[in-house]
Formats: sequence, structure tokens, C-alpha cells
Amino acid sequence: AQSVTQLDSQVPVFEEAPVELRCNYSSSVSVYLFWYVQYPNQGLQLLLKYLSGSTLVKGINGFEAEFNKSQTSFHLRKPSVHISDTAEYFCAVSESSGGSNYKLTFGKGTLLTVNP
Amino acid sequence: GEEVAQTPKHLVRGEGQKAKLYCAPIKGHSYVFWYQQVLKNEFKFLISFQNENVFDETGMPKERFSAKCLPNSPCSLEIQATKLEDSAVYFCASSQSRQAYGYTFGSGTRLTVV
Repeated sequence: AQSVTQLDSQVPVFEEAPVELRCNYSSSVSVYLFWYVQYPNQGLQLLLKYLSGSTLVKGINGFEAEFNKSQTSFHLRKPSVHISDTAEYFCAVSESSGGSNYKLTFGKGTLLTVNP
Repeated sequence: GEEVAQTPKHLVRGEGQKAKLYCAPIKGHSYVFWYQQVLKNEFKFLISFQNENVFDETGMPKERFSAKCLPNSPCSLEIQATKLEDSAVYFCASSQSRQAYGYTFGSGTRLTVV
């Protein structure tokens, strides 16, 4: 089975500052990794995903994430945030081998609050 | 269409009442997944379908929850005799395969049991 730990439950930052949201995972097999964003009272939107290949993944809205296999991490970054980035961010993992753990396992989320 | 349509957006039920949620997958997607997001942002997998067949129901509470995906109809998730702890946002996702990289999520149904 796999698990996901989002190390910060809340991250407050000022507008135009850089931000990093941390995610570590645990799995005995190879995985796919995802970041989703949930704006207040809305559904889940996929920001980016790592399936294979280049460890630096670029997503929508200027976000990127880097897969680090040795540290089992998949941290999300943005060089300059906007007020509109205020939302809950979820890291998720699924097994890539097609076994029984094909389902998504989510972290508990990080609330990013961007202040003026 | 290219979106997963979940209805209703909000549902309020008194404890003990029935709740029924609907999910119309993207046309051409043969897999449907239901997830429950409870307080403190915990997501729990409930059930998945491949077309109208249950693919994996390991997350479904056995007693009060049921789900169906019938041809030419939205999929449904039904909770008989709701309890306060059923209050959550229920998300549906559809995909062309069972792999998570293909998921498209709906906007969810917020169920409040009072």
C-alpha cells in the first residue's frame, strides 16, 4: 500500500513571493504522482502529473514539481504567486504497475493562502 | 461532453433519510470512480465501475451504500438511512482506463446530514 504525507497543513505567503508545497510518499512499487488544486467550494482540478521520464514536470498556472525518487518526494513550486492561487492543494499517488493499488491515495492537503 | 457532470451540487438530508447522487461520465470513458472527501480533507475510495459492472467495491460501506452504472443513464450512488458521519463531498471521476492518470473529476456533490 502507498501513503502520502503533506508536510505543511497551511502555507501563508505574500503575493509575488515564491512558494513550495512539500509532499513525500511511501510505496514499495513504482508510482504515478499528481498534484490537484481545489478552490473554495469547487471540485478537483489536475495541476500536473508525473508518469515517467523527466523528473521536472510543468503544469498549469505556472506551477511545476520535481520528482525525487531517492527522497521519495514530489514538491510543488511556483516562482511568484497570485492572490488567485489561494486554494487547497492535494498531492496524490497511484501504483504504476497496474496492480490492486491503481486507485488514488491522497495527502491531507495544504491550504495555500496568498496575502496582498 | 468533456466534463463529468455531478448532480446535485448540494444535498441536505435529515438523519435516516435516503440520499441519491448522480454522475454522468465523459462520453467514451468506460471507468467510473467514486471518492468521498470528509472533514479534514480525508479522501476515501468507495467504488469503481467498468461500464455497468462493479470493478472494485473494496471501499464501500456494506450496509447502507449502493451504487449502479446502467447503460444510457448517469451512474448513481445511493445512501439508505443517512447518518451524520455521511456528511462529505462525494466526487466522481471517469477515465478510459482504470489508471489514475486518466481521471477527470466532477465538481462533487456536498451532502449534509442534519
